[in-house]
Amino acid sequence: QIQLVQSGPELKKPGESVKISCKASGYTFTDYAMHWVKQAPGKGLKWMGWINTYTGKPTYADDFKGRFVFSLEASASTANLQISNLKNEDTATYFCAINYGRYYFDYWGQGVMVTVSS
Amino acid sequence: DIVMTQGALPNPVPSGESASITCQSSKSLLYSDGKTYLNWYLQRPGQSPQLLIYWMSTRASGVSDRFSGSGSGTDFTLKISRVEAEDVGVYYCQQFLEFPNTFGAGTKLELK
Repeated sequence: QIQLVQSGPELKKPGESVKISCKASGYTFTDYAMHWVKQAPGKGLKWMGWINTYTGKPTYADDFKGRFVFSLEASASTANLQISNLKNEDTATYFCAINYGRYYFDYWGQGVMVTVSS
Repeated sequence: DIVMTQGALPNPVPSGESASITCQSSKSLLYSDGKTYLNWYLQRPGQSPQLLIYWMSTRASGVSDRFSGSGSGTDFTLKISRVEAEDVGVYYCQQFLEFPNTFGAGTKLELK
């Protein structure tokens, strides 16, 4: 069965960097794009962008250009999200998701809580 | 970007009653292939979002037939019949017509 398993919670200080991972199983990793979605505490869902798991090309939503980097370890069926120069407003849960059905997110990771606090 | 606007529910909803959640898009989500690219998700407390409905009215695999989606190109409704405890959470609509994929702000369902 398809699973997306994300890494554990992170506590960071402002200005630091964080890298979170999303390990996929149960399907051919390079067949489906990996998307990233942010959810600030008590807030809604915000799509951050996606990475083409075949070519490695990332696409970022406007609000996530600059400090956010999507990357792959394709041999390990893993997608990564790195955030540099962390700010308080980066405190959120970050989900990975795939559009196995192409036009919707039908599989989601469990989410990673990133807390940025001095 | 396409803006998705969700309506509120008159919470709490009595168990066994029906509930309807509305969503409006700033642009028609009806594509030339005849499909409407509107999805619905439920996020239960402490969980990841779960796909309920895609293409405006198609139930995802394993989703109860108590959930139904309807609408036009810009106005959509998710109806939940005979509300149960497991339906509690926040419901989101999402457009998948174009990038960036955008979600509504969410509609919370509480049970009485």
